[in-house]
Order: sequence, then structure tokens, then C-alpha cells
Amino acid sequence: NAGVMQNPRHLVRRRGQEARLRCSPMKGHSHVYWYRQLPEEGLKFMVYLQKENIIDESGMPKERFSAEFPKEGPSILRIQQVVRGDSAAYFCASYDRGGETQYFGPGTRLLVL
Amino acid sequence: DQQVKQNSPSLSVQEGRISILNCDYTNSMFDYFLWYKKYPAEGPTFLISISSIKDKNEDGRFTVFLNKSAKHLSLHIVPSQPGDSAVYFCAAAYDYKLSFGAGTTVTVRA
Repeated sequence: NAGVMQNPRHLVRRRGQEARLRCSPMKGHSHVYWYRQLPEEGLKFMVYLQKENIIDESGMPKERFSAEFPKEGPSILRIQQVVRGDSAAYFCASYDRGGETQYFGPGTRLLVL
Repeated sequence: DQQVKQNSPSLSVQEGRISILNCDYTNSMFDYFLWYKKYPAEGPTFLISISSIKDKNEDGRFTVFLNKSAKHLSLHIVPSQPGDSAVYFCAAAYDYKLSFGAGTTVTVRA
């Protein structure tokens, strides 16, 4: 986990509100992944980003979800008009293209009331 | 589609004995395999990996075995210690994307 930062660690939202999850990758890493883990399930790929570029968003729900990784600042996963089914743990991982291993952050636990 | 499967949701083992975790995959394009360990309320921590050109990789108490013909890999932990109690995820990689199994919860009994 060393170096991958996620905030907030816990986020509570009411239905219809927006959730913004932030991820700062390990120093020197320019690739970020977002995963979602529902209770009793494994991690499911959502999106893969490079700086200023979405490489693969095939795991993202078509509506309400978006992600970005700007040139400066953290990667943001944005969920608009949250519903109870969005309650999950969201993990970010960073990756150095020269290596093979993804390193994970501590996760953000989203609870939608 | 579940390309990576961990068929045992839980495993209980006595301290000092061997823990064997199993993982099966369906996609023959996977070329790199990893095991992650996860404690509650934390992110997955990388444990050990193996390239598809190898059949064994060892790191201290942890050994990963890969059987490409059977599309099967396993993680051996010996000797098991109380701190090994956690959820273990198997992951398989092709190009840049990881596919994860559902995890196996390991409990090491004193």
C-alpha cells in the first residue's frame, strides 16, 4: 500500500447526492486504476487512467459515474445522484508502466443512506 | 464473466501448518499472476507474483505454483502464523488489466 493515498476513507451520502473520491498514486506512477468491491465479492475493475487520458472505462456504469486524472492533482472518481446500490468499498491502485504490479490504496468506504 | 475463480471461500489452518490456497482461471491470454492479502478496512497488499514463463516462485514463507496446462495456481504459506489471518485474493493480468477472484478468508488457529 505504500504511497497510494485515498481520501476520504469513509464517506456517507444521502440518495441523490454526489460522491467524490480522490486518489493520489505512488510517486513516479502515472497510471491509476479504480476498483469497486461489493460485500462478499472480489474487486471489480472500473476504469484505467493515465494522466489526462482515459485508457479503458469498460467497467464503469454507463450513467452517473465518471473518472478523471488531471495533469496536476489526484485522480477523481465521481458518482452523481448516488443510490443505495453504490454503497461499496472503492479502491484505487497505481501502476508503473515499467513494472507489473499494481499497488493499492486503503480504499474509500461509501455508504449511501 | 468470472475469469478468475477461488472456489474455497474460507480456510482454517493450525498455526505452524501449511496453508494452501487455490485459484483457477479460464483466459489463456493471462500472462502474469499475483496474490494479494487484505486485512479488514485496509487495501489489498501485494504478496507475491509469478510470470507465465515460470512454474514456481518463492519468497520466504510464501510460494506460488503455476500449472498453465491446468490453468491453475496455488499459494502455499508455510509455516502459517496468526498474522496470516486475512483475505487472500488471486489476480491474473493480461496487458494492463487485472481480474480478481472473490477471495479466500484464511484463519490461522493457535
